[in-house]
Amino acid sequence: EVQLVESGGDLVQPGESLRLSCAASGFKFSTYWMSWVRQAPGKGLEWVANINQDGSEKYYLASLRGRFTISRDNAKNSLYLQMNRLGVDDTAIYYCARHGPYYEADYWGQGTLVTVPT
Amino acid sequence: EIVLTQSPGTLSLSPGERATLSCRASQSVSSSYLAWYQQKPGQAPRLLIYGASSRATGIPDRFSGSGSGTDFTLTISRLEPEDVAVYYCQHYDSSPMYTFGQGTKLEIK
Repeated sequence: EVQLVESGGDLVQPGESLRLSCAASGFKFSTYWMSWVRQAPGKGLEWVANINQDGSEKYYLASLRGRFTISRDNAKNSLYLQMNRLGVDDTAIYYCARHGPYYEADYWGQGTLVTVPT
Repeated sequence: EIVLTQSPGTLSLSPGERATLSCRASQSVSSSYLAWYQQKPGQAPRLLIYGASSRATGIPDRFSGSGSGTDFTLTISRLEPEDVAVYYCQHYDSSPMYTFGQGTKLEIK
């Protein structure tokens, strides 16, 4: 069974940093593109970043480039998101997702909540 | 940048009816990279349709997708109470960039 379990969400102050993790199991992690997608309270889905199988290609939502860094450790079956200089607009549930052959997000984790208060 | 516009914003139907949800792209897109997701209250999104018309694993045949170019449709035949959710379309392009529509909320009367 494919499982994605996010962790690391927390209440942080504006300007602080946070690192999210996503533990994958039930599939060969090293052979899939992976993404982070976020959802602000009461809002829609917003793609954040994705990474290819060996970590050599990384892409970001333009407005986040330079603050957020996606990475992976295939030996640990884990995906990460380093978030720096967090602001109120970064408050959201952050989901990790696996991508299928047509780049569809075929499996999602349950999400981890990041809160940056005003 | 491609913009996906979903309509209607909210859809209220009775059990057993058919729901038709629209997703319109601001420019022609490849149907190979058009997907639909269902997000029930308090849950993570779930993939319903990929490649515009292929059902994901375990998705009932009440759900179907169609369309090409700029206009795509998700149809849910024979609505059930469990179909209450927000439905999102999504497109991937080679920028690369993933774009989501703003969602359609489906209510069951």
